[in-house]
Amino acid sequence: QKEVEQNSGPLSVPEGAIASLNCTYSDRGSQSFFWYRQYSGKSPELIMFIYSNGDKEDGRFTAQLNKASQYVSLLIRDSQPSDSATYLCAVKSGGTSYGKLTFGQGTILTVHP
Amino acid sequence: SQTIHQWPATLVQPVGSPLSLECTVEGTSNPNLYWYRQAAGRGLQLLFYSVGIGQISSEVPQNLSASRPQDRQFILSSKKLLLSDSGFYLCAWKADREIGELFFGEGSRLTVL
Repeated sequence: QKEVEQNSGPLSVPEGAIASLNCTYSDRGSQSFFWYRQYSGKSPELIMFIYSNGDKEDGRFTAQLNKASQYVSLLIRDSQPSDSATYLCAVKSGGTSYGKLTFGQGTILTVHP
Repeated sequence: SQTIHQWPATLVQPVGSPLSLECTVEGTSNPNLYWYRQAAGRGLQLLFYSVGIGQISSEVPQNLSASRPQDRQFILSSKKLLLSDSGFYLCAWKADREIGELFFGEGSRLTVL
C-alpha cells in the first residue's frame, strides 16, 4: 500500500467549475498535510497546508482534512486555465522524521475554456 | 527573505560519467535540506536529507551520494551515472517552524544517455 495516494487523473474540468482533488494517507501519526502545484517543467510550489480537522480556505482554494478517515482534499473554485498543472499531496509524519515530506504521485488537472 | 538556488538547470551526461549538482540557500541559517528526485510522470522520491554540516541521511540505496560542506550548501554527486539516474532533481529547505513546509529550488533536469 502506498503511503500517500492521490486520485488517478487526469482530471479535466471546464473553466469556472469546481475542481476536486483527493488524497489518502496510511500513517495515522501524520501531523501536517500540504498541497503543492507543479507546472510542467517547473518545481513544485506550495499552495496550502492544513493540520487540523475541517476546512481551511485561502482565496479560491479550500483544503479539507479528515484524520479519522485519513483523507485530505483540495477544492479549487472558479477554476481557471492557469490552474492547469499537476497537484501534489504531501504528508509530514510524526516522530523523528526530521521534517521530511512524503509525496503522492500527483494528479494532473486540466481546465479547459 | 529566504531563497534557494540550484545549478545546473539542465544537463545531459553519458552513462558512466560523474555528476555534481549544487544547491545553496540564502536568508536562513542551519536549515534542514533535502534532495528529491522526480522520474518522468512520477511523484517525488526523497533521496537524502541533512540537518547540519556533515550530517547526511540516505533514504534509499542508490548510485548517488550527498554532502553538506557548508551550512547552506548541499551537493548531490555520483561517480558513475546510470541510465536510471535520469530525472528531475529538486533541492528543498524546511521552514523553521512547527508546520515545517518545504520550499523547492528551481530543479536540475538530468538526462543520462
